Amino acid sequence: AQKVTQAQTEISVVEKEDVTLDCVYETRDTTYYLFWYKQPPSGELVFLIRRNSFDEQNEISGRYSWNFQKSTSSFNFTITASQVVDSAVYFCALRVGDDKIIFGKGTRLHILP
Amino acid sequence: EPEVTQTPSHQVTQMGQEVILRCVPISNHLYFYWYRQILGQKVEFLVSFYNNEISEKSEIFDDQFSVERPDGSNFTLKIRSTKLEDSAMYFCASSEWLADEKLFFGSGTQLSVL
Repeated sequence: AQKVTQAQTEISVVEKEDVTLDCVYETRDTTYYLFWYKQPPSGELVFLIRRNSFDEQNEISGRYSWNFQKSTSSFNFTITASQVVDSAVYFCALRVGDDKIIFGKGTRLHILP
Repeated sequence: EPEVTQTPSHQVTQMGQEVILRCVPISNHLYFYWYRQILGQKVEFLVSFYNNEISEKSEIFDDQFSVERPDGSNFTLKIRSTKLEDSAMYFCASSEWLADEKLFFGSGTQLSVL
């Protein structure tokens, strides 16, 4: 069975601090895809990143970076120098071979001014 | 950037009534999905659709639910007889390819069943 665990339900940090959102996944398949989505207060789901299981290179996009470690089945997301606009719920998700994405329960991130 | 559009943004209905949620996926996309999010909870998969038939569905997607692509552009989710627990935000999504492609989500329809 596939599963995504986001152990942090809610995080609050002061603006400009770095923050890491944890994601641990479970699957027996060797081919899979991992995602992060952002859900701002307006409610829509915004795609942030997709990573396939064969590519363990870490990725950086501006203030965002992702650390994919197959050995620990983790795909953590770090925001550097956080801003108030980063306040949102962030979902980690897993897609295995077939065509559905399984979402974690989300981490609500509050960036305090 | 092309986007998935959903209408209406908010739908209120009485328990037992039928509702149809509408979505217009991105025009060259071939795979279509419905997800839902009960307030404050995680996003749950309902159904995927390809080549005019359901590819996969979750245990949530029971006989009360159906999907249809009535023409070349719309993708609808019908709930035959709504229950209070169907109240949720329903997201439509589409993708160009299977598995190796990100999903583009619509902005959602908030369904309130009274």
